Amino acid sequence: GENVEQHPSTLSVQEGDSAVIKCTYSDSASNYFPWYKQELGKRPQLIIDIRSNVGEKKDQRIAVTLNKTAKHFSLHITETQPEDSAVYFCAASYGGSQGNLIFGKGTKLSVKP
Amino acid sequence: DADVTQTPRNRITKTGKRIMLECSQTKGHDRMYWYRQDPGLGLRLIYYSFDVKDINKGEISDGYSVSRQAQAKFSLSLESAIPNQTALYFCATQGYTDTQYFGPGTRLTVL
Repeated sequence: GENVEQHPSTLSVQEGDSAVIKCTYSDSASNYFPWYKQELGKRPQLIIDIRSNVGEKKDQRIAVTLNKTAKHFSLHITETQPEDSAVYFCAASYGGSQGNLIFGKGTKLSVKP
Repeated sequence: DADVTQTPRNRITKTGKRIMLECSQTKGHDRMYWYRQDPGLGLRLIYYSFDVKDINKGEISDGYSVSRQAQAKFSLSLESAIPNQTALYFCATQGYTDTQYFGPGTRLTVL
């Protein structure tokens, strides 16, 4: 079946450093790649997404890059802050036009002051 | 996001009991989903519905059933709960864009 692998599972950085989370996907027809942030005890919330016709997208301190050939995409957070501490999930669409999502297993990011 | 609500928020039950988790939304979205979250396993799709007359199984539907009572309501049932169904359950909705909006979650414990 379709699969999304996410690495690392845990990531600890110092405040102000950058953080990078990487995902690979298996369905070559995937065309939509969102990233969700889940704070402790809260619901997942979309922070950024990218479609397959775009190689990179930025929103302030966060950016996502996509390499369709290699079937991998990455989340980059610059100038990390303690409030960036959370679990981050990548996802990829599958099933063609139905557009369901398959999620990675998550990365727990800890930003130390 | 207060537009997607789930009840109950927490539930403790015993093995063999029937349980219903409810999801309501005021976003006017046609698509609704039920996910299960376990530590270290991410979010896994249980069932999804693209409109009132459309119900589809997801990755892990065994032991679960759903009902789409209206565009705004999508319920998940555990006919006979077992301990390995202890998890955090999320409902999500999706409109014309690709973005899925999650409810606050229901923490279910099966003893």
